[in-house]
Amino acid sequence: GENVEQHPSTLSVQEGDSAVIKCTYSDSASNYFPWYKQELGKGPQLIIDIRSNVGEKKDQRIAVTLNKTAKHFSLHITETQPEDSAVYFCAARKASNYQLIWGAGTKLIIKP
Amino acid sequence: DAGVIQSPRHEVTEMGQEVTLRCKPISGHNSLFWYRQTMMRGLELLIYFNNNVPIDDSGMPEDRFSAKMPNASFSTLKIQPSEPRDSAVYFCASSFTSGIADTQYFGPGTRLTVL
Repeated sequence: GENVEQHPSTLSVQEGDSAVIKCTYSDSASNYFPWYKQELGKGPQLIIDIRSNVGEKKDQRIAVTLNKTAKHFSLHITETQPEDSAVYFCAARKASNYQLIWGAGTKLIIKP
Repeated sequence: DAGVIQSPRHEVTEMGQEVTLRCKPISGHNSLFWYRQTMMRGLELLIYFNNNVPIDDSGMPEDRFSAKMPNASFSTLKIQPSEPRDSAVYFCASSFTSGIADTQYFGPGTRLTVL
């Protein structure tokens, strides 16, 4: 069935450095790829998304890139700050029924 | 808008008891999702409603789980009887599904502990 693989499971970076999280999806018909951030004790919140007709999207310090041929997409966070510490989830939407297939999550740790 | 509202925030119960989780989606949204999150299995979709109708319940673990959406502003997830392996955080999310823009907005979750 459809699945989304996310790497790494844990990422530790120095404050101010960049962080990159990568996801690979299996359903070539997927057309929407959101990224969610989950802080401790809270529900996941959308931080950025990209659609299949776009290769890259940027919003201040965060950016997402999509390679439809290779079926992978990545989240880039530049100039990391302590408040970026959280668990990040990627997802791919099934074209058939709008459901999201979720990655397993990446715990991002920003070291001061 | 207050966002997605879930209650209770925490629930501790004993094995065999009935548990009911409640969700109020964002007004105007037409889709509602129930998820379960555990360390071992991550974020799992249990059931998805569109316009109050269950569309896909293939993620519901077994017959002990049931979900209803009697109207556009309320949904329940019931576990009867509960078991220790049901301990998890249960999230409700809602969206306006149009095929173009359908961001899912999550509630704060209900942390369920079954002793």
